[in-house]
Amino acid sequence: AAGVIQSPRHLIKEKRETATLKCYPIPRHDTVYWYQQGPGQDPQFLISFYEKMQSDKGSIPDRFSAQQFSDYHSELNMSSLELGDSALYFCASSSAGTGAYEQYFGPGTRLTVT
Amino acid sequence: QQQVKQSPQSLIVQKGGIPIINCAYENTAFDYFPWYQQFPGKGPALLIAIRPDVSEKKEGRFTISFNKSAKQFSLHIMDSQPGDSATYFCAASGSWTGFQKLVFGTGTRLLVSP
Repeated sequence: AAGVIQSPRHLIKEKRETATLKCYPIPRHDTVYWYQQGPGQDPQFLISFYEKMQSDKGSIPDRFSAQQFSDYHSELNMSSLELGDSALYFCASSSAGTGAYEQYFGPGTRLTVT
Repeated sequence: QQQVKQSPQSLIVQKGGIPIINCAYENTAFDYFPWYQQFPGKGPALLIAIRPDVSEKKEGRFTISFNKSAKQFSLHIMDSQPGDSATYFCAASGSWTGFQKLVFGTGTRLLVSP
């Protein structure tokens, strides 16, 4: 079965640079979630989109923005990167519009800020 | 403040043993409780989930026990195998949020010795 696709898988950036992470949800899923996971920590919710509209917002810095496109893929844009932004970034998708709660996670993007 | 409390932090069992991981929550509006398995550097994989209207759910070797009055739920892994060695996260979400962002526990690192 098709899974959530994330790209790139690894990204190395310097402080103050920008980064763009991409997420392609499972086909026919209408909702995308972004989570950040620091080393040894649990995933923290950043932001979600349903039918291309922002549906919820968590602890996402103002330096970050995201959107969902007409083909349902989503991009997380990160500017003025800081060392503390180094983490694993996961995208998850679900079919929330049908009332399905299950969220399926992608393999993640490992962002390293030097 | 951790909305979902998970214990133990780490757990070592012998092959064939039954590790038990416990979680507790405060917010009675949570109505969906999944468990995720995560291997190092990989995305969380949905194992099993439960709603508050049932007290137990089994899928293969994994069982969730749910105690609504105590606001607690637990994961049991029957006949554990070395391949089950991973970090396990409980989580919770609620339909009142609209789009079911997940709130995770702090994780349990399980080691199954041969």
